[in-house]
Amino acid sequence: GAGVSQSPRYKVAKRGQDVALRCDPISGHVSLFWYQQALGQGPEFLTYFQNEAQLDKSGLPSDRFFAERPEGSVSTLKIQRTQQEDSAVYLCASSLNLALEKLFFGSGTQLSVL
Amino acid sequence: EDQVTQSPEALRLQEGESSSLNCSYTVSGLRGLFWYRQDPGKGPEFLFTLYSAGEEKEKERLKATLTKKESFLHITAPKPEDSATYLCAVHGSGNTGKLIFGQGTTLQVKP
Repeated sequence: GAGVSQSPRYKVAKRGQDVALRCDPISGHVSLFWYQQALGQGPEFLTYFQNEAQLDKSGLPSDRFFAERPEGSVSTLKIQRTQQEDSAVYLCASSLNLALEKLFFGSGTQLSVL
Repeated sequence: EDQVTQSPEALRLQEGESSSLNCSYTVSGLRGLFWYRQDPGKGPEFLFTLYSAGEEKEKERLKATLTKKESFLHITAPKPEDSATYLCAVHGSGNTGKLIFGQGTTLQVKP
């Protein structure tokens, strides 16, 4: 596919469970971003990779959130011991270079924590 | 702290009724202002990037303008397919890879 792919599309977790969300960026895109979007709100920045290097993780809400991109391609966002306030849509985006001129977003993973 | 506020929160238009969406921002050193469109259940889709006051960009029925404090997205003779949420975002000089998004304006165009 030509776009950013995210899986799963929907995830239901019981409070306290660990979850892993996957992002396949557009092939060749250097930069990868994770955003969190609550219902009715704009996306909020979580973290940013340039190739395999995590350059900014200032938006991660707590140490329960962890992201990696070990080979500079696929990325995984992991949330440990999920809480109800973690319920949101998690969006992944990629861009061709280091500039933020044009981000390509995936359709997101909708996480519901019960 | 960088901040983006969009108004109105929701807008209903009749097909062909032109209007404008507002994005007010405060940022330390604007590196870019962005407009995205988001359809329900989808991720945001890029529309425009503006870099400096006075700049304008157009695409079909949409035109984006920028001043030192705000940006407008003008919609001329909208069609029902223009119905979506429109998001504004800024990139400030203090942030490497971080965009600050507004809460969006949800536009509904009725036939």
